Amino acid sequence: NAGVTQTPKFQVLKTGQSMTLQCAQDMNHNSMYWYRQDPGMGLRLIYYSASEGTTDKGEVPNGYNVSRLNKREFSLRLESAAPSQTSVYFCASTLGGGATYEQYFGPGTRLTVT
Amino acid sequence: RKEVEQDPGPFNVPEGATVAFNCTYSNSASQSFFWYRQDCRKEPKLLMSVYSSGNEDGRFTAQLNRASQYISLLIRDSKLSDSATYLCVVTPGTGRRALTFGSGTRLQVQP
Repeated sequence: NAGVTQTPKFQVLKTGQSMTLQCAQDMNHNSMYWYRQDPGMGLRLIYYSASEGTTDKGEVPNGYNVSRLNKREFSLRLESAAPSQTSVYFCASTLGGGATYEQYFGPGTRLTVT
Repeated sequence: RKEVEQDPGPFNVPEGATVAFNCTYSNSASQSFFWYRQDCRKEPKLLMSVYSSGNEDGRFTAQLNRASQYISLLIRDSKLSDSATYLCVVTPGTGRRALTFGSGTRLQVQP
């Protein structure tokens, strides 16, 4: 099993450009999450999907959209990138819908917006 | 006030030392507690869950004090490979599906 995979690993965007971060898991997990990690801030939840067909906002959803394409895939879209969105983005998945389950993380996407 | 607070460190300790980290959380309704480990420029990985009665996994001991709303992690006989950032993680309460992460405590074990 590959676990949780993310593409791309690195990306540089100019302000105003758009892009989609891809995430896929092969563990048959129900719930998937997108976090961003900034120095001194810890991981902050952007959006999550408790199950296929549902998505909910997290702590910092502004400027982002998500799509739970199927059970395996959960994408994060930046419609008009801003320098404040420079960060490391992690996708995660859990077997169940509750937060007591272990979260498995992908390797991250390092995004720089200039 | 942050929901989960940790001393950022770094904690610089020699090999073989015992080191302890504390973490405080603000939501008294928090249900579940964890320690995750994150190596430099890598993804976080679950180190251990924290149970009310306290729990041990080899050289690692985690404890929870609900009355004071803090969690601790004790590492005995530190190894070079323990060098990492340790993230305190809390579920914020009933009905919430996601975790709240502390910003982490960095540990550097020196030879």
